[in-house]
Amino acid sequence: EPEVTQTPSHQVTQMGQEVILRCVPISNHLYFYWYRQILGQKVEFLVSFYNNEISEKSEIFDDQFSVERPDGSNFTLKIRSTKLEDSAMYFCASSWDSYNEQFFGPGTRLTVL
Amino acid sequence: GNSVTQMEGPVTLSEEAFLTINCTYTATGYPSLFWYVQYPGEGLQLLLKATKADDKGSNKGFEATYRKETTSFHLEKGSVQVSDSAVYFCALSHSSYSGAGSYQLTFGKGTKLSVIP
Repeated sequence: EPEVTQTPSHQVTQMGQEVILRCVPISNHLYFYWYRQILGQKVEFLVSFYNNEISEKSEIFDDQFSVERPDGSNFTLKIRSTKLEDSAMYFCASSWDSYNEQFFGPGTRLTVL
Repeated sequence: GNSVTQMEGPVTLSEEAFLTINCTYTATGYPSLFWYVQYPGEGLQLLLKATKADDKGSNKGFEATYRKETTSFHLEKGSVQVSDSAVYFCALSHSSYSGAGSYQLTFGKGTKLSVIP
């Protein structure tokens, strides 16, 4: 069964450093998403991406964040200058169409020291 | 705005007990409703969904009915197993009004279920 994959599973970085989280969505999906879950809190929407551009973003997704689909398979989330409060589990998701179920990857745990 | 409220956990049940996890929502329009499950150390997996009022989603013995009149989508299972121990998230899917057509999920806080033998 096709699945969303994410790398790395755990990333530790120093405050102020740039990180890139990588995702490979399900191959025939057209819509891509990033969510994050701070420990003990709810899962929060960050951004959605369709047709090579951002279609929606939340207040959390400020100028420190960017997303890219550099080739036909990868979907990346970049945090330009990490802050302590960026420590969270980051989930990538993809869907075939806009209103149907989203399939989630296993997540990348980001720890900012 | 859109929001999802779930009953607070944790919930601890004995094996074969009946499970109900309450979920209510606030949304404009007609969202789709979902239950996702997160097993320890893993990501989110879709458990079941309902896309319109009175629809019943079901999977692995779990059920939830989309109740528009009470804006609820309570999760139920008649007989839980130890393997059902996980965190359960209620979520709704709604579109932006920017015309971009993408849908984002709004999640509840999650309810941790522990089933003991």
